[in-house]
Amino acid sequence: GDSVTQMEGPVTLSEEAFLTINCTYTATGYPSLFWYVQYPGEGLQLLLKATKADDKGSNKGFEATYRKETTSFHLEKGSVQVSDSAVYFCALRSKGANSKLTFGKGITLSVRP
Amino acid sequence: DVKVTQSSRYLVKRTGEKVFLECVQDMDHENMFWYRQDPGLGLRLIYFSYDVKMKEKGDIPEGYSVSREKKERFSLILESASTSQTSMYLCASSSRYRGRYQPQHFGDGTRLSIL
Repeated sequence: GDSVTQMEGPVTLSEEAFLTINCTYTATGYPSLFWYVQYPGEGLQLLLKATKADDKGSNKGFEATYRKETTSFHLEKGSVQVSDSAVYFCALRSKGANSKLTFGKGITLSVRP
Repeated sequence: DVKVTQSSRYLVKRTGEKVFLECVQDMDHENMFWYRQDPGLGLRLIYFSYDVKMKEKGDIPEGYSVSREKKERFSLILESASTSQTSMYLCASSSRYRGRYQPQHFGDGTRLSIL
């Protein structure tokens, strides 16, 4: 079945550091891929998405590229801010799976001033 | 903006009680979902619904049921609450546009404690 694997956390960075959060997936066919973010005390918000191979999703300085050959969708940001402290979830939706999402376990990012 | 509203942010109930968690969305979305979120496990799908009075089991439906009598409202029911159901519960909704499923929008969650 479908699955999403995220790197182990938590991650602690200093402000303005470079961020990479790894995400790999297993799915049949060509799924759509997503990054969701959960700020403290809130629900999940869609951060970015990509629907086909080599697509790059971007939002709020974050980027992720859909890599079919490595089945990956790593999240990157060049310079993190304290306000980026949150839990980040990678997710996929398989074609033909209606609108069901499969989530990774999430990773907590803390950015210190 | 899409608004998904969960009726309670925090809820404390006792073992054996019947518990209702309510979710309302204001964007006429066809699809609605209930997840539970646990540390180290991420989000797991409990039940989802594609239309009024329709429901389908997700990955962990045991001990839960759902009700969707109106399009905007999706209720999660714990028939006889147990301590293992202490968790954060998240509701989400999404639509279909030109045959494509749109991203899910989430509520702020209900943190449920079963004593």
